[in-house]
Amino acid sequence: EVQLVESGGGLIQPRGSLRLSCAASGFTFSSYDMNWVRQAPGKGLEWVSSIIGSGRRTFYADSVKGRFTISRDNSKNTVDLHMNSLGVDDSAIYYCAKASRDGYMHNWYFDLWGRGTLVTVSS
Amino acid sequence: EVVMTQSPATLSVSPGGRITLSCRASQGVGSNLAWYQQKPGQAPRLLIYGASTRATGIPARFSGSGSGTEFTLTISSLQSEDFAFYYCQQYSNWPPLTFGGGTKVEIK
Repeated sequence: EVQLVESGGGLIQPRGSLRLSCAASGFTFSSYDMNWVRQAPGKGLEWVSSIIGSGRRTFYADSVKGRFTISRDNSKNTVDLHMNSLGVDDSAIYYCAKASRDGYMHNWYFDLWGRGTLVTVSS
Repeated sequence: EVVMTQSPATLSVSPGGRITLSCRASQGVGSNLAWYQQKPGQAPRLLIYGASTRATGIPARFSGSGSGTEFTLTISSLQSEDFAFYYCQQYSNWPPLTFGGGTKVEIK
C-alpha cells in the first residue's frame, strides 16, 4: 500500500527539541522529493521544509531556518524533521508529504500525504 | 515570496449547486498551481495540479482553470462529501512554497 506514516509528535516545553519521522511505503522512495507541511490549530497549511530524492539539497521556510533540519535515509525509506528551539508558534499538526514527479520533471505539489503528527509546545 | 490569496473565506451552498472558488497570486506563477481538499480531522488531498489537471481518482465535477495570477476551482454539482476546506498552492517561485489561506465550503 502506498502510504506515509508520521511519528514522534507530542507535548514539549518551549526551547525544547523534538524529532519527527515519516515512514514511506509502496513507492520507490529515493526517486521522490519529500516535504513537511504543518497546520496550526484552526489555521491553514504552511510549508516547512523539503529535501530532494538524493538528500543532497534541502530547503526551509524562513520561520524554521536555523532551527529545523530535514534529513532522509533512503535505505530505510524514512524522512525526519529535527526541530530545535521550539516555540509556541511551532505547535501544529506536522504532515509528511510526497512531491510529484513526471519522468525527469520534479513537480513541487504534493500527491501523497500522511495523516500527520501533533506537536504541542507548552509549559 | 509569492502570496496566495483565496476568496471567499467561506461559501455557503446548497447540495447540487455550482460553486467557483478563487485563488490569486501576487506574481505570475504560470500554470504551477495545485488545489487541495481537506476535511476536518483528515490530511489534505490533491485535487488539481498544473492549474487544470485532475489528480487520479478525482471526479469530473471538479475542474480548475487559470494561469499567471488568477485561478479558479469549480465544483459543478456539489455533493455532500464536497463540504470541506479548499486550499491552493503555488510551486513556481520558491522557496517558499506557498498556500492560500483556504476557503471553507459549508452547507447552506
